[in-house]
Amino acid sequence: DSGVTQTPKHLITATGQRVTLRCSPRSGDLSVYWYQQSLDQGLQFLIHYYNGEERAKGNILERFSAQQFPDLHSELNLSSLELGDSALYFCASSVLTGGGNTIYFGEGSWLTVV
Amino acid sequence: EDKVVQSPLSLVVHEGDTVTLNCSYEVTNFRSLLWYKQEKKAPTFLFMLTSSGIEKKSGRLSSILDKKELFSILNITATQTGDSAVYLCAVATTSGTYKYIFGTGTRLKVLA
Repeated sequence: DSGVTQTPKHLITATGQRVTLRCSPRSGDLSVYWYQQSLDQGLQFLIHYYNGEERAKGNILERFSAQQFPDLHSELNLSSLELGDSALYFCASSVLTGGGNTIYFGEGSWLTVV
Repeated sequence: EDKVVQSPLSLVVHEGDTVTLNCSYEVTNFRSLLWYKQEKKAPTFLFMLTSSGIEKKSGRLSSILDKKELFSILNITATQTGDSAVYLCAVATTSGTYKYIFGTGTRLKVLA
């Protein structure tokens, strides 16, 4: 158990809908990263938050948004869902925003868009 | 554009074999290289390397980084079926801010 908690574990929704994925980082971790992993694809970086502030954006679609709250939990909002958004969404956390730190992953949220 | 390339894409070996997984990278402002093992779900951390030429070891797994040639290898000796997984390499960079760029992974299958 990495200490990173993600909910829900599984989600099935229809095209055009909106979902929110939630992440609680490890105790004491200020950085939260979101990644998308499609079938047979590597981990694609979406966005990074540090202590409530957005720090970096990766290949995140405009239909997707995220935020990190004062208690450091984070939410990833996915809207106008398309079939191609079906993927495993991971949250990871680290202590600081330093590149010398290890990031620890949650178990992921499986999203299936039908 | 920053990129991390892993090879081979997949590998099938028998228990007891030794395997070497490769990770090469082209990034600006390299900070560290990390190895993860992904079985069913969450990638689990194996090693972080920041200095060239220093081997990190944990049981039957070991890894080394070559910052001049821009690559790292992960060795697994005396493989077991429990080593079957996808092994991911990630590079931490500071291009503007800190990012972790992942390769697509090497899928290892160890046969009994």
